[in-house]
Amino acid sequence: GAVVSQHPSRVICKSGTSVKIECRSLDFQATTMFWYRQFPKQSLMLMATSNEGSKATYEQGVEKDKFLINHASLTLSTLTVTSAHPEDSSFYICSAETLRDPGSDIQYFGAGTRLSVL
Amino acid sequence: DAKTTQPTSMDCAEGRAANLPCNHSTISGNEYVYWYRQIHSQGPQYIIHGLKNNETNEMASLIITEDRKSSTLILPHATLRDTAVYYCIPITKTSYDKVIFGPGTSLSVIP
Repeated sequence: GAVVSQHPSRVICKSGTSVKIECRSLDFQATTMFWYRQFPKQSLMLMATSNEGSKATYEQGVEKDKFLINHASLTLSTLTVTSAHPEDSSFYICSAETLRDPGSDIQYFGAGTRLSVL
Repeated sequence: DAKTTQPTSMDCAEGRAANLPCNHSTISGNEYVYWYRQIHSQGPQYIIHGLKNNETNEMASLIITEDRKSSTLILPHATLRDTAVYYCIPITKTSYDKVIFGPGTSLSVIP
């Protein structure tokens, strides 16, 4: 299967700082990636669709100025949580679909990034 | 997108078959049924998908009723490592269709 890597796996930061999370497709190109957020004991919530070379599409209720997404290459998308506050503490997960299996629509997920804002 | 109903939680004895049901009575004709699972504190993992025929792979089997209103994911010989939350998700096969997760079924495999 295709491999999606996320970095860092865990980050602790002070309130008011910005945190960048990287999502890489290691062995395939991904023109589209997705970002999710998951709070404890809850399901994954889709935040945005990241499109290579264009603006991300955000889901309703997700602040685009708060969660900056950049998809500058076919293998890398980044999510920056700007001016993080304790309520932003969550598990952030990215996913991508490989063109290697056209029509399969299988999403491959990263291992996730646990953000703790103090 | 079709709505799904899954049991909140299930237990299964280690070595026995785990049968996870999913109701998707409003599924449309062009929606496939996908199953993913999420082991605690990890990213989700694809398991299997199908349209109307039963499907089997190295991980599981998928049984879809003839009217397509429900399906069952079968893990033939559950192990402790199969303890996870299992999600049944109808998806229309278009390029880069979003995967929207419901609450899923929390499966506990018991020794």
